[in-house]
Amino acid sequence: KQEVTQIPAALSVPEGENLVLNCSFTDSAIYNLQWFRQDPGKGLTSLLLIQSSQREQTSGRLNASLDKSSGRSTLYIAASQPGDSATYLCAVVGGSEKLVFGKGTKLTVNP
Amino acid sequence: NAGVTQTPKFQVLKTGQSMTLQCAQDMNHNSMYWYRQDPGMGLRLIYYSASEGTTDKGEVPNGYNVSRLNKREFSLRLESAAPSQTSVYFCASSRKRTETQYFGPGTRLLVL
Repeated sequence: KQEVTQIPAALSVPEGENLVLNCSFTDSAIYNLQWFRQDPGKGLTSLLLIQSSQREQTSGRLNASLDKSSGRSTLYIAASQPGDSATYLCAVVGGSEKLVFGKGTKLTVNP
Repeated sequence: NAGVTQTPKFQVLKTGQSMTLQCAQDMNHNSMYWYRQDPGMGLRLIYYSASEGTTDKGEVPNGYNVSRLNKREFSLRLESAAPSQTSVYFCASSRKRTETQYFGPGTRLLVL
């Protein structure tokens, strides 16, 4: 059974800092890995999707990497801003073609 | 373009009452999903519909039923609500099961 783990559960950084969020998964047979953002009381917003054949994807200040063989992904946020404060969720699509989510990292960027 | 919409936004039920959560998408997506989100448990798949006319169980289907009414709409029904079903429910859709999922704003359900 696929399990997705995100460490740390919470992270607090000063504005302007570059930061890395980590995600690991137990079964490397995946179609893709997705990163989502969730603001308090809101739904999920898709940030990046990395196909299993890709090593990384970039969108603005966000860069996600994938190392399928080791079961790891990182989300790099450059020059963090208070507006980046949210919970970031990692999810993988495996052989069952269903999304399996981690429990998220709650990020606080302090002005 | 509304994306994925859910009704109601918030509901309070008494134990044993029934209700239906509604979800609609306007992106012409084939696949639709129902999740629940609980503190410390993360998001868990309740049911999904890979295409119009099909539905399948997810990780936590007990106590729920679904209907894929047409390509746009996917409803979730609680026949006899229990306090353990207090949660936030999210509907999502995607063009294919292996592509990006788009989420609705959620329904907050409290069962007393």
